[in-house]
Amino acid sequence: GAVVSQHPSRVICKSGTSVKIECRSLDFQATTMFWYRQFPKQSLMLMATSNEGSKATYEQGVEKDKFLINHASLTLSTLTVTSAHPEDSSFYICSARGGGGYYGYTFGSGTRLTVV
Amino acid sequence: GESVGLHLPTLSVQEGDNSIINCAYSNSASDYFIWYKQESGKGPQFIIDIRSNMDKRQGQRVTVLLNKTVKHLSLQIAATQPGDSAVYFCADLTGANSKLTFGKGITLSVRP
Repeated sequence: GAVVSQHPSRVICKSGTSVKIECRSLDFQATTMFWYRQFPKQSLMLMATSNEGSKATYEQGVEKDKFLINHASLTLSTLTVTSAHPEDSSFYICSARGGGGYYGYTFGSGTRLTVV
Repeated sequence: GESVGLHLPTLSVQEGDNSIINCAYSNSASDYFIWYKQESGKGPQFIIDIRSNMDKRQGQRVTVLLNKTVKHLSLQIAATQPGDSAVYFCADLTGANSKLTFGKGITLSVRP
């Protein structure tokens, strides 16, 4: 079946530094990927839609200069949290369209970001 | 705005019993519904989906029921096992190019 690989699974960084999270579709091409943020015991909140070869579309209230998204190929999207602060600590999850289900949304395993 | 929501935050069931997880949606234009399972520290895992032109779909130990009249979606898990303990989300789509809208999530706890 379709697999989306997300790395790293956990990362701890110092306040003010930047962190890059990778999302790869391993056995299918994904023209569209999605980035979500999830707080403890809450649902997934869509941050942005990543389109291969074009600019990402950000949801209202998401700072595009803080959360940089690059979708340079059909199998890779990256999310860079710039100048991270403790309030950016969260669980970040990517999804790619392709694979299981009618519309084929497959999720990565998530990245736990802790900013200290 | 319109959203997909769940009635109860937690559900505790005895191992071996059947579980029923309910979800109410408000977008009458939604045409595709998905149930996801999320274990602690992991991403959502696809369980089963259903299109709006169906009212029932069965998988392995799971059944999804859709009642468009009352905008209600349910996930039934037969013979619930400890490995079923997780948070379950319903999500909906309106067309192939729309974005998934997730419900709040319900925690299923299986008692041994």
